[in-house]
Amino acid sequence: RKEVEQDPGPFNVPEGATVAFNCTYSNSASQSFFWYRQDCRKEPKLLMSVYSSGNEDGRFTAQLNRASQYISLLIRDSKLSDSATYLCVVSGGATNKLIFGTGTLLAVQP
Amino acid sequence: NAGVMQNPRHLVRRRGQEARLRCSPMKGHSHVYWYRQLPEEGLKFMVYLQKENIIDESGMPKERFSAEFPKEGPSILRIQQVVRGDSAAYFCASSGTGADYGYTFGSGTRLTVV
Repeated sequence: RKEVEQDPGPFNVPEGATVAFNCTYSNSASQSFFWYRQDCRKEPKLLMSVYSSGNEDGRFTAQLNRASQYISLLIRDSKLSDSATYLCVVSGGATNKLIFGTGTLLAVQP
Repeated sequence: NAGVMQNPRHLVRRRGQEARLRCSPMKGHSHVYWYRQLPEEGLKFMVYLQKENIIDESGMPKERFSAEFPKEGPSILRIQQVVRGDSAAYFCASSGTGADYGYTFGSGTRLTVV
């Protein structure tokens, strides 16, 4: 079983749509949770950290459910520029290394 | 304040040659992580280094791969006797110390083995 599992997609949505990404992780000792964005052939960039209380940044909302080991990302009013691969990431332990999901490809269509 | 600098951006090697990938962390960052992304796959942790120390190399292949982060100069990921399966994007990330372990990634080195 993979440590971090995501639906690989692709998700093809029209502009203005609301998109939800889901992710599960296997290590209950994980301490930190993130969503990263990766554009084609570029480095991953931190989109937002994820907290149990939920957090929002403009059109983006992230949620964490520690009991079910589930992380989500919601994008409202999607834009063409949101097209990218969205990576679910967890970390924990003494070395703080990041464990990446394989990513979900989002294609926003005009 | 330059970000994480990786070079070269692209590297082509013939099978059996050596590849050296360099990473200069952000100013003030003393922790370096190397990740590999094979085609159509997610990023996989390889190694975590602090100055002059390898802290966690649990993701490094047992043979041909080595990493260092000397007291002076960049971190180096070295791959000896490269094979086609080593073709991938290699990303370096750095972080500082403290409670907020923010990661900053470099733009990566794309290694192609021909």
